[in-house]
Amino acid sequence: KNQVEQSPQSLIILEGKNCTLQCNYTVSPFSNLRWYKQDTGRGPVSLTIMTFSENTKSNGRYTATLDADTKQSSLHITASQLSDSASYICVRYNQGGKLIFGQGTELSVKP
Amino acid sequence: GAGVSQTPSNKVTEKGKYVELRCDPISGHTALYWYRQSLGQGPEFLIYFQGTGAADDSGLPNDRFFAVRPEGSVSTLKIQRTERGDSAVYLCASSSGGEQFFGPGTRLTVL
Repeated sequence: KNQVEQSPQSLIILEGKNCTLQCNYTVSPFSNLRWYKQDTGRGPVSLTIMTFSENTKSNGRYTATLDADTKQSSLHITASQLSDSASYICVRYNQGGKLIFGQGTELSVKP
Repeated sequence: GAGVSQTPSNKVTEKGKYVELRCDPISGHTALYWYRQSLGQGPEFLIYFQGTGAADDSGLPNDRFFAVRPEGSVSTLKIQRTERGDSAVYLCASSSGGEQFFGPGTRLTVL
């Protein structure tokens, strides 16, 4: 079983709508948990970073939440844009710098 | 340079051949990481360098994979006797001790 599991595997929404992506992790504690955006053919880019003690973190239209009790995190995207179409990856960040990636959610925003 | 660069962007080779993938990290970053990303999956850790030495190579799948970073800057990932299962995107990331910044990856296809 992966240490980081994401759902849904893929998602299609209309431009302007909101959506929420889920991430469950099985091992804690950890240094921090991050959400990355990966455009097709590009490397992942960090969106949000949350330490173990934080509950929520926003970056523009992206808001990440973290529940350490249930070992769940979510990424909420508000007023989606066509450019939001990408893979969104939940990443557990160990103190040694070793990243444990989820398999990603493939988001497609349609006009 | 402004970011992490990787060459080549695409590499097609035949089963059994030897390949080298190059990573140029952000100038001054002492840590360098290699990851492998299969289609529809999140990246998987391969090896981590701190300076010239491999601090953690636990992710290398077998002894056909080897990486070097002789001067503590550019790194080369070497794959001997390539197999079709080696086909993937190979991502490189660098950091100065905190966030990892990713390159665009090298897409390796083994025919």
